[in-house]
Order: sequence, then C-alpha cells, then structure tokens
Amino acid sequence: AQRVTQPEKLLSVFKGAPVELKCNYSYSGSPELFWYVQYSRQRLQLLLRHISRESIKGFTADLNKGETSFHLKKPFAQEEDSAMYYCALDTGGGNKLTFGTGTQLKVEL
Amino acid sequence: NAGVMQNPRHLVRRRGQEARLRCSPMKGHSHVYWYRQLPEEGLKFMVYLQKENIIDESGMPKERFSAEFPKEGPSILRIQQVVRGDSAAYFCASSPNREFYEQYFGPGTRLTVT
Repeated sequence: AQRVTQPEKLLSVFKGAPVELKCNYSYSGSPELFWYVQYSRQRLQLLLRHISRESIKGFTADLNKGETSFHLKKPFAQEEDSAMYYCALDTGGGNKLTFGTGTQLKVEL
Repeated sequence: NAGVMQNPRHLVRRRGQEARLRCSPMKGHSHVYWYRQLPEEGLKFMVYLQKENIIDESGMPKERFSAEFPKEGPSILRIQQVVRGDSAAYFCASSPNREFYEQYFGPGTRLTVT
C-alpha cells in the first residue's frame, strides 16, 4: 500500500538558514509527488510538483527514486515561509492524493 | 471566484445522528474530491466524484458513509449514525478535469461527535 512519511512534526530554523523538509514515500508504481503548503488561516494550496522541476518561492524538491525521497529544500529561510508543509503522493493519475502528516516549519528571527 | 466553499465550517453531532457536509467547487470545476484528516494524521483520500458520477470511492468506509455530486447544487458527504471516531476535519477539493494535476482545497469542515 502507498504511504508518505514526514518524520518531523516541527522544524524550527533561523531566518537565513537553509531548510530541508523530509519526505519519504512507499509506492510500487511510478510516483507523482507534490508539496502542498498551508499558511496560517489559509487553505491548503499546491507549492510544487516534481514533474515541473521548477523553483517556487525559492523552494525546490528533487525526486530520488533510489532513496524513495522527495525532500523540500530552500537555501535561505524567510519569515514568511513559516507554515505547515504536506508532502503528497498521487496514486490515481491525478485524482487520488495520499498525504503525509505534515511538518510545521517555524522560521525564527 | 470565491474558491472552493465548504459548509458548515464546524459541525457538532451526537452519537447516532446524521452529519451532512457540503462542498461547492470552484466555478468551472466539475471534479470533486473528499479527504478526511483524523487527529495527528495526514489527509486521507475518501472519494472522487464528477457531476452525477462516483469515479473512485476506494477510500470510503464501507458503511454509514456516502457521497453525491448532483447535476445542480453542491457535493454532499453524508455520514449516518455518527460515532466518536468520525470526529475529524473533512476537506473537499476540486479540479476542472481529470487531467489537471492541481487540486484546489476548501477550508474544511470540522466534525465533532459528542
């Protein structure tokens, strides 16, 4: 069965420090992975998708099939990055997402 | 465009009552997804619907839960004879079509069963 693991419930970093939010997945098929973000008092929204291989708000994520990982990285954290981040695996061709439990990122001044 | 709307935002039911959760997708979206988030867990897929059709209900509990998306009006997730274990946040998302990869989420309905 498919599973997404985010080992850290809370990650606290200082402004300007590098950020890495970990995500590991378990899936027998060809994975399609996403990062969704929820800012305070806002809705869950898509941050980035592995296929697009683009940088959004300075964040990047590389799919590593050997390690079954899709870690989210940013070289220099900003205060506005503080939010809840969810890694998600699509197992239904674009219509069935499996989410991790989320990591709360807190960027301190 | 107001985005995906869900109501009510908070719902309290006693054990044995019925809960009805509503979801209005974004304008122009005809595909709706329901997810449930139990305490301390990630969002779990429940059901995927298109207008008047259930496409995938593999995540729905076998009993007491049902969903519909009529030709007119919002999608409804119905939970009959609620139990304490149904207490959770229920999220709805929508997309314009099956091939569109991004799902747009509503604010969620927090169901509390007392």
